[in-house]
Parts: sequence; C-alpha cells; structure tokens
Amino acid sequence: GAGVSQSPSNKVTEKGKDVELRCDPISGHTALYWYRQSLGQGLEFLIYFQGNSAPDKSGLPSDRFSAERTGGSVSTLTIQRTQQEDSAVYLCASSLIQGTSPLHFGNGTRLTVT
Amino acid sequence: EDKVVQSPLSLVVHEGDTVTLNCSYEVTNFRSLLWYKQEKKAPTFLFMLTSSGIEKKSGRLSSILDKKELFSILNITATQTGDSAVYLCASGGTSYGKLTFGQGTILTVHP
Repeated sequence: GAGVSQSPSNKVTEKGKDVELRCDPISGHTALYWYRQSLGQGLEFLIYFQGNSAPDKSGLPSDRFSAERTGGSVSTLTIQRTQQEDSAVYLCASSLIQGTSPLHFGNGTRLTVT
Repeated sequence: EDKVVQSPLSLVVHEGDTVTLNCSYEVTNFRSLLWYKQEKKAPTFLFMLTSSGIEKKSGRLSSILDKKELFSILNITATQTGDSAVYLCASGGTSYGKLTFGQGTILTVHP
C-alpha cells in the first residue's frame, strides 16, 4: 500500500490482558516510530527504530511496554497486563531517512482498556 | 526537557478569514520544526522547516521559522470549512527520531 498501515484499527480489552498492535511502514522507509495520543493531548513519543541500530526506547512509559521490528519492516508494539491508563490512540509513523525526512503517520489503533 | 507550546489552543473563524497559528519551542540542538494537520485519524504532513526566515508555501498555507526567537507560525488565508482540524507543531533535536509535539490548535471554520 501507499501509506503506513496499522492493525487493528480498534481494540477493546479487559484490564490485565496483553495486547499486540501492528504497524506496516511505507516500503523503503528505514525509520519507524511509535507515538501515543491520549484524549485531548499531544502526541507522546514511545520508541523508534532506525535500520539495524538499537532502538531508542526512552519514551516507553513502563516495562509493560515493548516493541520489536522484524526484518527492518513490520513492527509490533506489545502492552502486557494492560491498565486503564493505557487507553489511547497508538500511532505508528515511518520516514525515509531518520532525522531529515518528515514522519508519515498511520491511522492509529484506538485501544480501550475496560 | 524539550518543550513545544502552541497558541491559541482553539480558534473559531468564518470562511474567508485568515488565521495565524503560533508555535514556540525549546529544543536541545534543534534540527527541524514540523507542522501537521490532524482531522479524524492520521496527522498529515504540511511543512518541515529547518532554516530561519525562509517561507514555505503550499496553496493557501504558509509557514516560517524564526530560530533566533524560537518560534514558527502557520498562516492559512481564505479559510474553508475543510481547514477545520487540529494543527500540530513538532520539533526535533538531538535525538533524530524523537519529535516533541505541542498540544495542538483546534481550528473550526464556520460557513
């Protein structure tokens, strides 16, 4: 596809369950980013990947959050033992060259923890 | 800690009006400032600014960066109802991938 693809678009889960969110970046983009947007808030950085380098995980809010990127393409963000405060829209973005190219965002996954 | 502040937080205008959205930033080792438009879902890229004083223009939208005063403005002339959206400003510094976003300006354009 032409854009960043995320799935699922919506996810409702019970508190304490684990969830996996998927991101398929634009073909050829070397950098991949995860952001979180809570209701009425700006975007909060979570993690980014650049090629084969170690990811910058400095934005992950707790050790319940982890992400991986397989084969330099698809990425999965995993939240273990979900809490109600994890409810947000999780946005993935990719860029052609890290730091010098603009980020292109997917439509996000709206996560609701009940 | 890097910081981006946008003003106003919300703005209501009528079609045909011109609006100016403001963004101030404090970013270590500044590299770029970006503007995005967010309607229902994905923020869509508008402009990326790296040099001071050079206006970027796309149709009725334009933006400029002042690296001395640490701010940027986004202008929209002859506004249309389709311009109604949240406009996000973001800045990147030392860590290339980590953009710091402002809280956004909610623009509502009435017919």
